[in-house]
Amino acid sequence: DAKTTQPPSMDCAEGRAANLPCNHSTISGNEYVYWYRQIHSQGPQYIIHGLKNNETNEMASLIITEDRKSSTLILPHATLRDTAVYYCIVRVSQHGTASKLTFGTGTRLQVTL
Amino acid sequence: GAVVSQHPSWVICKSGTSVKIECRSLDFQATTMFWYRQFPKQSLMLMATSNEGSKATYEQGVEKDKFLINHASLTLSTLTVTSAHPEDSSFYICSASPWTSGTDTQYFGPGTRLTVL
Repeated sequence: DAKTTQPPSMDCAEGRAANLPCNHSTISGNEYVYWYRQIHSQGPQYIIHGLKNNETNEMASLIITEDRKSSTLILPHATLRDTAVYYCIVRVSQHGTASKLTFGTGTRLQVTL
Repeated sequence: GAVVSQHPSWVICKSGTSVKIECRSLDFQATTMFWYRQFPKQSLMLMATSNEGSKATYEQGVEKDKFLINHASLTLSTLTVTSAHPEDSSFYICSASPWTSGTDTQYFGPGTRLTVL
């Protein structure tokens, strides 16, 4: 799986958009970009994933650059409950075969009043 | 959908005893589940891959005789920490994939905090 680079920490004011970057310059054509977050003392929570098109769901938006070497997770209106460690993971996903996730150090997002 | 549960959520045991942790997929079947361990202020580290009806696959450095994994059904995997010692104190988390999206998006349990005295 391709290696990812994320800033160790970020701050965001409540109500503002949180933009979390991730670099994955060695990503392969069949590797997806996944985002998870882990709130303190809880299991990781799936947020969103994409291959090359931008994706949006009820939690967030994922913007992937055209060359796929980087992406940005956007939380449009951050709340205090979004304070967590956010992990960007790049991996191959094959139907019929469950594959492991390799977690890096992630970005610790602190949402403040 | 795609809910994974773990039991217990926390456990305290004496050194030398064994502890069993259960991981259940509540609304889907999973032929494969994964077990992770997380020490304080560190990231998750994969311990093993649990396969229904067959032996688990362990990551390098994880003792298979110490961390026994049983995946007897499509909705249940168990991790038994045998002869636990204080250094086994950690946050143990499992995950599973429901295959609903065509990609193996994994969903995680809430974790089990083990403290060995």
